[in-house]
Amino acid sequence: AQTVTQSQPEMSVQEAETVTLSCTYDTSENNYYLFWYKQPPSRQMILVIRQEAYKQQNATENRFSVNFQKAAKSFSLKISDSQLGDTAMYFCAFMKHAGGSEKLVFGKGTKLTVNP
Amino acid sequence: EAGVTQSPTHLIKTRGQQATLRCSPISGHTSVYWYQQALGLGLQFLLWYDEGEERNRGNFPPRFSGRQFPNYSSELNVNALELEDSALYLCASSLLLGVGNTIYFGEGSWLTVV
Repeated sequence: AQTVTQSQPEMSVQEAETVTLSCTYDTSENNYYLFWYKQPPSRQMILVIRQEAYKQQNATENRFSVNFQKAAKSFSLKISDSQLGDTAMYFCAFMKHAGGSEKLVFGKGTKLTVNP
Repeated sequence: EAGVTQSPTHLIKTRGQQATLRCSPISGHTSVYWYQQALGLGLQFLLWYDEGEERNRGNFPPRFSGRQFPNYSSELNVNALELEDSALYLCASSLLLGVGNTIYFGEGSWLTVV
């Protein structure tokens, strides 16, 4: 079974600075997908970024980028130029490529607070 | 384009009763997922429906059930409610999986069991 570990329950950053959230996972699969979701106080889960395991290039979406280290099974999220609206819970998630068991396996989350 | 919509937003039930939660996927999406987010337990996978069939089920008792309708909307039923069923229930949808299509979430339905 796959597991996802987020070792930082809470983090804080000053507005405009950069912060990195950590995520490690355990799997025997070779093909899979990794995601970062954001859950603001409104509770809706919002996709931040996704990474296909077969792609060596790290995904980026505007101020959000990942550092994907497949051999180390590490998938960290970097938020640049942090904004107050980035305050939220951030969840790292894993999904197998195929096989009839498509489901997201989530980490416990990291609560990020951006301070003015 | 409308996102994943869920109803009701909040629901209060008494222990032993039944609760029904509803979900409409993004137009064109055939797969619907249900997740439970209980305090302190994180997000737990409940059910996955695709083309009207239950494709996968998480580690939950049989009193958690659901179905998917021909228009791909879905409902989650929780029978014989227990206090620990109090949680945010998130519905999500995607295009047919197998190729890692992204899963999009709704805003959730809060279920409180008293």
